[in-house]
Amino acid sequence: DAGVTQSPTHLIKTRGQQVTLRCSPKSGHDTVSWYQQALGQGPQFIFQYYEEEERQRGNFPDRFSGHQFPNYSSELNVNALLLGDSALYLCASSLRTGTGANVLTFGAGSRLTVL
Amino acid sequence: GNSVTQMEGPVTLSEEAFLTINCTYTATGYPSLFWYVQYPGEGLQLLLKATKADDKGSNKGFEATYRKETTSFHLEKGSVQVSDSAVYFCALSRTGGFKTIFGAGTRLFVKA
Repeated sequence: DAGVTQSPTHLIKTRGQQVTLRCSPKSGHDTVSWYQQALGQGPQFIFQYYEEEERQRGNFPDRFSGHQFPNYSSELNVNALLLGDSALYLCASSLRTGTGANVLTFGAGSRLTVL
Repeated sequence: GNSVTQMEGPVTLSEEAFLTINCTYTATGYPSLFWYVQYPGEGLQLLLKATKADDKGSNKGFEATYRKETTSFHLEKGSVQVSDSAVYFCALSRTGGFKTIFGAGTRLFVKA
């Protein structure tokens, strides 16, 4: 059973450029969340997608945007890259339920370096 | 707002030593609590969880008890192994698919 897959695994961009990261959720999951993990820090919540809509958003500027497709896969787009956007970007999928613990399954991440 | 605070690392132990990693939280309502682990070069994976007060989560010899009175969820293991070397994250989430909030992580090194 394939878990969460992310692409690309590594990429290097320059300031001002734009980047698109992709995520395929675990089979059976309908919700995708994106996190930014700076070196030595915990993951910071960017946003969550469910039923192709952004449901929650963390404290990130509008340069960060996303999309969810009908097959539940998702993209994270970052425009006008800054040096501070260099980080590991993690995608996590889950099954949205009204009750019970919200258990996340993570991908291995996309390492973005901005020069 | 909701937040998680965990002890700073790194924590360095010898094999078979007892492990405690402290975690306290601030939250409205009654969140679910989690420990996730990140092994070198890998994404985070769930280690254990607890959904209500006094629940004990356990997995792979690790345990943590949801203490509402002290707002804590400390991780313990009686005898660590070299293979337990990783970064451990305490986290919380409100029931119903709300976002998960993570602590800063505690790196554990276990020496043979």
